[in-house]
Amino acid sequence: AQSVTQLDSQVPVFEEAPVELRCNYSSSVSVYLFWYVQYPNQGLQLLLKYLSGSTLVESINGFEAEFNKSQTSFHLRKPSVHISDTAEYFCAVSDRPGAQKLVFGQGTRLTINP
Amino acid sequence: NAGVTQTPKFQVLKTGQSMTLQCAQDMNHEYMSWYRQDPGMGLRLIHYSVGAGITDQGEVPNGYNVSRSTTEDFPLRLLSAAPSQTSVYFCASARGPNTGELFFGEGSRLTVL
Repeated sequence: AQSVTQLDSQVPVFEEAPVELRCNYSSSVSVYLFWYVQYPNQGLQLLLKYLSGSTLVESINGFEAEFNKSQTSFHLRKPSVHISDTAEYFCAVSDRPGAQKLVFGQGTRLTINP
Repeated sequence: NAGVTQTPKFQVLKTGQSMTLQCAQDMNHEYMSWYRQDPGMGLRLIHYSVGAGITDQGEVPNGYNVSRSTTEDFPLRLLSAAPSQTSVYFCASARGPNTGELFFGEGSRLTVL
């Protein structure tokens, strides 16, 4: 079965600083990777996804993630964070390109300090 | 734009009581699922459905029942609540099992005393 490990439960950074949230997954022949974001008191929302093609994927609000098959990683990065990025971030994996039986990591709480 | 609607948002139960968490979506999605969210454990899949009349178990199905009589609704039933079922429950839907995005409800916080 697929599994996901998010190496940091909490990441505090200062506003406008860069950030990296780490995610490693169990190896599989086929792997599809997702990052979801949960703002306070809300449900999760899709941030970005890797299904195939270019290993670097981007979101509309400046986040990017790179699929690294040799390292079995899918780390999330942003060069300059904003207060509004304060949220919990979940990495997720599937062995099919869809929502069925999506497996989530433990989550990383990103706190932005002014 | 209702999306995925969950009720109730908060509930307190005593051990042994039963209840149903309601979930409805108005996007004509085939796929629906229930997750529970616990601190340090992320989200774990309880049950899912790929269409009306079809349900299957996820990672942590024990103590929960589901049914899918219509495309829109996917209720989660706790038959005899236990303190270990204290959690935040999320319902999520997708256009189909092979699409790449889940749409989540706002969650239902359940406390079992």
